[in-house]
This record gives sequence, C-alpha cells and structure tokens, in this order.
Amino acid sequence: EVQLVESGGGLVQPGGSLRLSCAASGFTVGSNYMSWVRQAPGKGLEWVSVIYSGGSTYYADSVKGRFTISRDIYKNTVYLQMNSLRAEDTAVYYCARQLTIWGYAFDIWGQGTMLTVSS
Amino acid sequence: QSVLTQPPSASGTPGQRVTISCSGSSSNIGSNSVNWYQQLPGTAPKLLIYSNNQRPSGVPDRFSGSKSGTSASLAISGLQSEDEADYYCATWDASLNGWVFGGGTKLTVL
Repeated sequence: EVQLVESGGGLVQPGGSLRLSCAASGFTVGSNYMSWVRQAPGKGLEWVSVIYSGGSTYYADSVKGRFTISRDIYKNTVYLQMNSLRAEDTAVYYCARQLTIWGYAFDIWGQGTMLTVSS
Repeated sequence: QSVLTQPPSASGTPGQRVTISCSGSSSNIGSNSVNWYQQLPGTAPKLLIYSNNQRPSGVPDRFSGSKSGTSASLAISGLQSEDEADYYCATWDASLNGWVFGGGTKLTVL
C-alpha cells in the first residue's frame, strides 16, 4: 500500500529546533518529488519545501534559511529540520508526494504531525 | 493573503450544481496546470483534480475542473452531503519559485 507516515511533532519553545520525519511505503522517495505542506490552526494550506528526485531543494520564503529538507533513500524517509522556530510556524505539517506526470499534483498525503511553538 | 483567490464560502442544496472559482495571474495559473484538493473536517487533503481537468481513479465524475486564462474552476454536480468540505486550488508560481494554494473555499450542503 502506498502510504506516508509523519512523526516528530510536538511542543517547542520559540527559537528552538525540531526534526520531522516522513516514512514512505509502497514507493521510493528518491524517485519522486517530495514536499512538506503545513496548515496553521483554522487556516489554509501553505507549501513549505520540496526535494526533487535529483536532490535539488527549494523553500517558501517564510522558512528559507531556517528549515532544511533532506531524505534518506535507504530508510525511504524524508525529513524536515526546523530551526529558529517562531510562533507562526505552529501548524499541522503534512508530507506529500508530487507526481510530475500529473502536473506536479500532491497525490499522496500523510496524516500530518502537529507542531506547536510556544513558551 | 493567498496568491490564488478563492471565495471563502459556497453552498448548495443536495442535487444542485455548484462551482468554485480560483483566480490567479500569468505567473501561476496563466502558465501552469491547476490541481484541486478536498479536505474533509479533521483529515488530510485529498487530490480531487489534476492537470486542470483530470480525475484520479476513485474520484466521482460529479467533480470536474476547467481552466481559462488566469482562472480555474471546480464544478460539483449532483451535490451530496458528504461533499461538505474545504476545497483548495493549487499550482506552481514562477515568480515565487514555489507552489501556491488558494485560500480555500468552505462548501456547505444545506
């Protein structure tokens, strides 16, 4: 079964760090575009970061310089290292696969993991 | 404020047809395909329409998408109570060098 399972969320103080994980099954993360998308409480969806199949990485301006996306092809897992966290980073973080042949649509989503940044 | 503009809410009665609009610009919708997502309360988003008007397997043909110029639309015919959800459009934005979502439309089935 094709599936994504996120983990690693929690409560962090402002200025702190956290790493989110996204374990994939049923497909290979190294052969696909993999993104992180977040949703603040009661708000809409916001794209955060992507890692291309070739390894290139891109970020939304709101997280550039603070977040780092990476992957481990042996563990078939994608990560999001988040540093210098701010209250406005509080959100549910979803991992999603993007299909290039489907117009880069986010076709598979994880269940999400909640990050709360608060003192 | 989202780069893609959607109405915050829409409504209809069972059996009715409703449309949700998504307005953008030449750097996003005008030059890239649009995808639509459905988010039921308390769940992760689900892909509804890709490449402007294509449905993944399992999505009912009551859902259809279209694009013209810098705008796109999602139409839902034969509205059902289980269609009550938030709907988001999304595409690539060449100016921002990233993917952008609309602000979302909350669909209420009366």
